[in-house]
Amino acid sequence: GAVVSQHPSRVICKSGTSVKIECRSLDFQATTMFWYRQFPKQSLMLMATSNEGSKATYEQGVEKDKFLINHASLTLSTLTVTSAHPEDSSFYICSNTGGNTEAFFGQGTRLTVV
Amino acid sequence: LAKTTQPISMDSYEGQEVNITCSHNNIATNDYITWYQQFPSQGPRFIIQGYKTKVTNEVASLFIPADRKSSTLSLPRVSLSDTAVYYCLVGDNYGGSQGNLIFGKGTKLSVKP
Repeated sequence: GAVVSQHPSRVICKSGTSVKIECRSLDFQATTMFWYRQFPKQSLMLMATSNEGSKATYEQGVEKDKFLINHASLTLSTLTVTSAHPEDSSFYICSNTGGNTEAFFGQGTRLTVV
Repeated sequence: LAKTTQPISMDSYEGQEVNITCSHNNIATNDYITWYQQFPSQGPRFIIQGYKTKVTNEVASLFIPADRKSSTLSLPRVSLSDTAVYYCLVGDNYGGSQGNLIFGKGTKLSVKP
């Protein structure tokens, strides 16, 4: 299947700093990738759709200037959480649609802002 | 996208068969039913997908009645490692719309020894 590798798996950062999360599609050229956020004991919430070579599409309520998405190649999408605050602490997950049946997800990134 | 309703949680014991039912009354003609499994601190993983009747793979079966307004995920002889959250999604081939998936609350399955 279309393997998705996400890095880092865990990151702790100070409030006010920025954090970059990488999502790589290892064996599938992904023109579109998706970023989700999951708070403790809650479901995944779609944040944005990452489009290779063009601007990302953000869901309502997600600040595009705070969550910067770059999809410069068919195998890499990055999410940068800028000026992170403790309320941004969450589990971030990316995915692609590697085939006609299922979506493939990264391992997730646990972000803790202190 | 059709809204789905699942039980919030279920308990089972090792070796039992577990059936998780999902309601999707507003499913559209082109929609598929897809189930994902998520372990703590991991991304979801595809389990099974179906359109109608019954689908079986190496890990689960999916039963879909003729009206398609519900579906039942069946896990045979569960083990402790099946403890996870199970999500039912309805949409295009991926379980969503053009690949972006709308997750409901899911069903937290707890398997006890």
